[in-house]
Amino acid sequence: NAGVTQTPKFRVLKTGQSMTLLCAQDMNHEYMYWYRQDPGMGLRLIHYSVGEGTTAKGEVPDGYNVSRLKKQNFLLGLESAAPSQTSVYFCASATLAGMDTQYFGPGTRLTVL
Amino acid sequence: KQEVTQIPAALSVPEGENLVLNCSFTDSAIYNLQWFRQDPGKGLTSLLLIQSSQREQTSGRLNASLDKSSGRSTLYIAASQPGDSATYLCAPYNYGQNFVFGPGTRLSVLP
Repeated sequence: NAGVTQTPKFRVLKTGQSMTLLCAQDMNHEYMYWYRQDPGMGLRLIHYSVGEGTTAKGEVPDGYNVSRLKKQNFLLGLESAAPSQTSVYFCASATLAGMDTQYFGPGTRLTVL
Repeated sequence: KQEVTQIPAALSVPEGENLVLNCSFTDSAIYNLQWFRQDPGKGLTSLLLIQSSQREQTSGRLNASLDKSSGRSTLYIAASQPGDSATYLCAPYNYGQNFVFGPGTRLSVLP
């Protein structure tokens, strides 16, 4: 039981490049979340999903897109990376929205030059 | 919009001390509140989830209390150990919304 895994762990991009972050969970959770964590800003919700095939915007969705084609996977895409997207990205999953604990992945550290 | 503050921002204590971390939130109509631990370079791990109907929740040396009406929660750590060194975040949940995370308290327990 791996829990929540994230790929890659580290990545350096140049401004304008694109990339996809992959989150996978093996706990059969319905809810999945993408957060970014920045010094002084705390943890902020980017996008989330309440089930396979669904996505919704969080607090800071601009510049990101997401997809949930399979229940166990939640992808976060950056179409044209900007230096402001330099951050640590965390994926989380949960059985029920807010009523149960969220399980977090180890994070992806992204630097955009 | 829910806003969360945590005091102190950082805390350094000698091993063995009992300590209290504070969390304040502006919207008291919460469904529950969680306390998380984050080790450097790692993801968050849930420590305690306290429901709005509860006053306290305990796990080992950790005790979380909740005063919903005043918008406060405290995390009490008894007999602190160097392995407790980490950042502790609180996250209240309002029904139909998403978790809002506090900025965290960075704890260092010195041997």
